[in-house]
Amino acid sequence: QVQLQESGPGLVKPSGTLSLTCAVSGGSISGSLSSTDWWSWVRQPPGKGLEWIGEIYHSGSTNYNPSFKSRFTISVDTSQNQISLKVRSVTAADTAVYYCARDPRTVGATIVDAFDLWGQGTMVTVSS
Amino acid sequence: DSQLTQSPSSLSASVGDRVTITCRASQSISTYLNWYQQKPGTAPKLLIYGASTLQSGVPSRFSGSGSGTDFTLTISSLHPEDFATYYCQQSYTSPRTFGQGTKVEIK
Repeated sequence: QVQLQESGPGLVKPSGTLSLTCAVSGGSISGSLSSTDWWSWVRQPPGKGLEWIGEIYHSGSTNYNPSFKSRFTISVDTSQNQISLKVRSVTAADTAVYYCARDPRTVGATIVDAFDLWGQGTMVTVSS
Repeated sequence: DSQLTQSPSSLSASVGDRVTITCRASQSISTYLNWYQQKPGTAPKLLIYGASTLQSGVPSRFSGSGSGTDFTLTISSLHPEDFATYYCQQSYTSPRTFGQGTKVEIK
């Protein structure tokens, strides 16, 4: 079955750039010709709730949370079957577990607009 | 943004208890409301989508209801493995938003 695996540096210095990848295995990120899968990044600061950063379609179309739009960039590499997240000018407030997740939008004729598949998450600490 | 407010923020319950968690949206979101369970150190798991549809493999003791602005997640009889934090999430509009979470603890 389809699985998601995030990877990243673990520790990033303040003002630096954070780069994360989410590898999709067991299936194509493009899906079938009729695929409606969108791929999201969600983060969770230590001891806090879930924050949706944004999403990308295999065509490269993106939607962002306005709270994250200025420093965050989501991209897709269909040849590598992965999505990426880049965060510029990081601060301690960006310390969090970062998850990638799939929203299929529809499954067959059924609307399933929810995050039905998640990676295990990767912890990122911003510290000098 | 469509804000989601969960109540309570935490609760203590015993195995076998019936538990109800509510989620209120700041504007109508039809039935585009999902529920997740998260255990410490693990990713969230989808329980219910579309306000009331049980995700495949989720036990039938979980149920969801509501539409518009008011929604509930009910666990009919709490099992030991149900002690976790529960989040609601709306998919009616962008940005997607989550409730602040409800922690279900052992009494």
